[in-house]
Amino acid sequence: EVQLVESGGVVVQPGGSLRLSCAASGFTFDDYTMHWVRQAPGKGLEWVSLISWDGGSTYYADSVKGRFTISRDNSKNSLYLQMNSLRTEDTALYYCAKGVGDGWNPFDYWGQGTLVTVSS
Amino acid sequence: EIVLTQSPGTLSLSPGERATLSCRASQSVSSSYLAWYQQKPGQAPRLLIYGASSRATGIPDRFSGSGSGTDFTLTISRLEPEDFAVYYCQQYGSSPQAFGQGTRLEIK
Repeated sequence: EVQLVESGGVVVQPGGSLRLSCAASGFTFDDYTMHWVRQAPGKGLEWVSLISWDGGSTYYADSVKGRFTISRDNSKNSLYLQMNSLRTEDTALYYCAKGVGDGWNPFDYWGQGTLVTVSS
Repeated sequence: EIVLTQSPGTLSLSPGERATLSCRASQSVSSSYLAWYQQKPGQAPRLLIYGASSRATGIPDRFSGSGSGTDFTLTISRLEPEDFAVYYCQQYGSSPQAFGQGTRLEIK
């Protein structure tokens, strides 16, 4: 059974940093592109970032480019999101999602999310 | 950057009726890399349709997708009580990937 479990969400002050983690199981992690997607309270979905199977390619939404860094450790079946220079508008539930394959694919499995609150 | 606009914002229908949801892209979506997701309160999104018209594993055949280029449609042929939720379209063929703002399907 595919499982994605996010962690690391907390309350942080504006300008602060945070690292989110996503532990994956039930599939061959290094065969798949992985993504972060966020959802502000009561709002829609916003794609944040993707990383290729080997970490060699990464892409970001304009809203987080230069502040967030996606990475993965295939030996630990884990995905990460380093978030720096946090802003109040980064407050959201952050989902880890698995691509259907490597490359440009939709997302067939999602975690339950971890809540990041940026507030003074 | 491709912007997706969904309409209507809210759709009020009764069980058994047909639902038609629209997603319009600001520029052509390459290779029909267009997906639809369903999200219920307190749950993660669920993939329904990918490649504009292919149903994901386990999705009932009352759900169908169509369209190409800039205009895409999700149709639910006969609404079941469990279909009332928020629906999002997504383009995944280019970066930055994008979701539409969602259509809320509510019980009339």
